[in-house]
Amino acid sequence: EPEVTQTPSHQVTQMGQEVILRCVPISNHLYFYWYRQILGQKVEFLVSFYNNEISEKSEIFDDQFSVERPDGSNFTLKIRSTKLEDSAMYFCASRSRDSSRNTQYFGPGTRLTVL
Amino acid sequence: AQTVTQSQPEMSVQEAETVTLSCTYDTSENNYYLFWYKQPPSRQMILVIRQEAYKQQNATENRFSVNFQKAAKSFSLKISDSQLGDTAMYFCAFPRINAGNMLTFGGGTRLMVKP
Repeated sequence: EPEVTQTPSHQVTQMGQEVILRCVPISNHLYFYWYRQILGQKVEFLVSFYNNEISEKSEIFDDQFSVERPDGSNFTLKIRSTKLEDSAMYFCASRSRDSSRNTQYFGPGTRLTVL
Repeated sequence: AQTVTQSQPEMSVQEAETVTLSCTYDTSENNYYLFWYKQPPSRQMILVIRQEAYKQQNATENRFSVNFQKAAKSFSLKISDSQLGDTAMYFCAFPRINAGNMLTFGGGTRLMVKP
C-alpha cells in the first residue's frame, strides 16, 4: 500500500540555523499539507499546497517558513532561522483529487529539536 | 470559527472491553467529513475511521465504529474488544472544505488499554 514518507526522522539543529524537512507524498496525490505538533499539544495546521502554490496557510506559517515542490516527487518545508519554539513533530500529509475520499494520509513525522 | 473538542483527556479500559471516546465540533458547513486518527507512542498519525456527514449510516471498520449525531454535532468513536495495541492518543479531526481541506484537530484523548 502506498504511503507518505518523511526524512529525516529526527533533526537536531542550533537556534538560528536553516532546516529543510522532506516529504514524498503518495504518488497520485495532488494536495499536500504540513502540520506540526509541539510535544503534549494538539496537531496544528501550517500550510496546504496545490498546483505548485500555497492554497492556505495558518498564522504560524510566517516569513520564516516556506514550502516547495522542487520536482515531481518531493515536497519540502524550510525554516530559515530556527527558534527554540520550533521544536516539534512536523507531519506531512497528502490527499488525492478524488473528492469522494477527502482523506489525508500522514507521514511518520520528523522530530525537530532546536537547541 | 471551526472548533473540535475532545472532553476526555485520558481514558482507560480493560483488555477485551468496549470504550467510547467523545468528540464534538462546531461548523456552519453542511456537507463534510469527520475523521478519527490514532497516534501510538511512535507518534505516527494513523487514520482509524472516516464518516461522511451526508450518510446517515454510522461508519464501521472492524472493531472501530462511530456514533455520528449530526444535529448534535457529535462524533464519538467506539472501540470494541479493546486490545493492548489500541493504547494511543486518539484525535478527532475535521476538514475545512472551503479552506483547502485543512484539518482542525481536537486536543486528543489518551487511551490506555490495561491487561
